[in-house]
This record gives sequence, structure tokens and C-alpha cells, in this order.
Amino acid sequence: AQKVTQAQTEISVVEKEDVTLDCVYETRDTTYYLFWYKQPPSGELVFLIRRNSFDEQNEISGRYSWNFQKSTSSFNFTITASQVVDSAVYFCALSPASGNTGKLIFGQGTTLQVKP
Amino acid sequence: GAGVSQSPRYKVAKRGQDVALRCDPISGHVSLFWYQQALGQGPEFLTYFQNEAQLDKSGLPSDRFFAERPEGSVSTLKIQRTQQEDSAVYLCASSPGTKRYEQYFGPGTRLTVT
Repeated sequence: AQKVTQAQTEISVVEKEDVTLDCVYETRDTTYYLFWYKQPPSGELVFLIRRNSFDEQNEISGRYSWNFQKSTSSFNFTITASQVVDSAVYFCALSPASGNTGKLIFGQGTTLQVKP
Repeated sequence: GAGVSQSPRYKVAKRGQDVALRCDPISGHVSLFWYQQALGQGPEFLTYFQNEAQLDKSGLPSDRFFAERPEGSVSTLKIQRTQQEDSAVYLCASSPGTKRYEQYFGPGTRLTVT
């Protein structure tokens, strides 16, 4: 089965705090792609990052960083020094390499609220 | 425009009516996806086109749902005899390729069936 679990439904932090959003996935494919998307109140999903299953190197982009651990099937996302503008719903998604579509399998999402 | 556009943004339909939702993908994008997002949930895959070919429709919930992309650009998702459980946001995404490419999403069409 292909599945993505985001166990944290809602997280509330105060501005400038660091916050980590958890993502655990299940797949039998040896090749797959993992994504994070942000959905602000406007509703449009915004692409944040893509990783393939062969690249476990962690990535940092400004205040954002991602920790990919194949051994635990996790792809966690950390926001450092959070800002009010980071308030949104964040989705982790899996795209198995098998099949011919590249469809995304999304988690349930984590709602992040950053308070001033 | 540079992004994916969808119309209408909001649609209210009475139960039993047919609706048609339009998606204009980013120019030149080969792949087009439709997803359904229920309130408080993650998007769920409905169907996929590569150019004009519908290669995967495994996510369509019933035969009341039909999608087309006749010329490999604009796509229409049609729902016949709408039911209350069809109420959701319908998202369209396009991509320059498949699998390893990120998908670019439109703003969605919020369908409310009364």
C-alpha cells in the first residue's frame, strides 16, 4: 500500500520559534519521490521541495530544512524562526515510480498557526 | 497568465444537476492531473492525462465523473447528476513531465451541492 501519514493535525507556535512537521510514508517501491507543498488560506498549493529516494542528503533553503531518513520512512520539515506568513496547511506527498502517472499521494496535512 | 487557471472558482449546484469544471494548464505542460480535496483533507487523485491521452482514471469515484483533454491543453472535468458527497474543492495541476517533476496547482473550483 502507498500511504502518507502526517500525525500532527494542528500546531500552534509563537513567532520566532522553530517548528518541525512530521511525515511518515509507506511504499513498496524502491524508487519514489517525496514532496512538500504549502496551502495558504488562498487555497493554492505551492511547491516547496522534491526529493528522490536515492538522495538522503538533507536540504536547507533559507529558514526551511528537510530531513529525509529512509530507515524510518520519514521526511520531516523544519521551519526555523517561524513567521506569521508561515501560517498555512502543509502537505507531504509521495509519488511512486511504478505506474505511468506520477500521481501524488498526499497526507492529511498539518495546519500551522504562527502567532505574533 | 503564467500559472494554472481554473474556472469557475465557485460553483453551487442543486442535487441532480450536471456541472463542468475547466482547467487551463501552463502552456507546454504535457501532464495534467485532477484532484479532489474534501474539507480538512489532503487532495486525492482523480485522473491523469499525458497530452490528450487519459492514462489513469483509477481515482474517479463513479461513472458520473468524466474528464477530457481533447487537444492536449485545456481539460474539463464533468460531473453528472451531482450528489451532496461531490461537494469539495477540485484541483487541477500540470507538469512538464511525469513522476520526478513537481506539479503546479491551480486555485481550485469549490463545488457545493445543495
